[in-house]
Amino acid sequence: SQKIEQNSEALNIQEGKTATLTCNYTNYSPAYLQWYRQDPGRGPVFLLLIRENEKEKRKERLKVTFDTTLKQSLFHITASQPADSATYLCALDVWSNFGNEKLTFGTGTRLTIIP
Amino acid sequence: KAGVTQTPRYLIKTRGQQVTLSCSPISGHRSVSWYQQTPGQGLQFLFEYFSETQRNKGNFPGRFSGRQFSNSRSEMNVSTLELGDSALYLCASSVEGRPREPQHFGDGTRLSIL
Repeated sequence: SQKIEQNSEALNIQEGKTATLTCNYTNYSPAYLQWYRQDPGRGPVFLLLIRENEKEKRKERLKVTFDTTLKQSLFHITASQPADSATYLCALDVWSNFGNEKLTFGTGTRLTIIP
Repeated sequence: KAGVTQTPRYLIKTRGQQVTLSCSPISGHRSVSWYQQTPGQGLQFLFEYFSETQRNKGNFPGRFSGRQFSNSRSEMNVSTLELGDSALYLCASSVEGRPREPQHFGDGTRLSIL
């Protein structure tokens, strides 16, 4: 069956350290993978998109890698801050029964940065 | 540019009733997607509308329906509400609705069924 799994529901990281979140998928071959941040009571906010032919993408303190052989994406936040505390969701494109693509989301990882 | 607007923010209904949720996308965005988010199931895709046509549909019963108007605003309707329909309903818009585009989400409608 097709699955998108994000490592542990919750992750606690000390302020200043690098937080690494994992997104693993099975039985998909996505061309794109996206990462979102969601704060309590709010909608997800887009962070980064990476294509299958890109190994790595960076934006300020954020870095995403995409390994299509391992079927895995890693999301890194360097020099983490308490304000980075949120739930992070990965999403990838899958073919639907309608014959076109749609974004499918993982269940998310709740990240807490401890001061 | 104004963001995606969803109304109402909160709604309380009882079993058997029906409900209509509204979503105004970002100006210029023609694709609107709807998602249901629950603690147990995460973010589940309901359907997508593009230029007033349903282009994609998730695995939800026929009680869940939607439509899109010529100005790209979208509504979602749930009939014969069940306790399990309690969730955060999110809509997201994008220019073309392609996976290579970011999705812009509203802050959702929190629906509670009593």
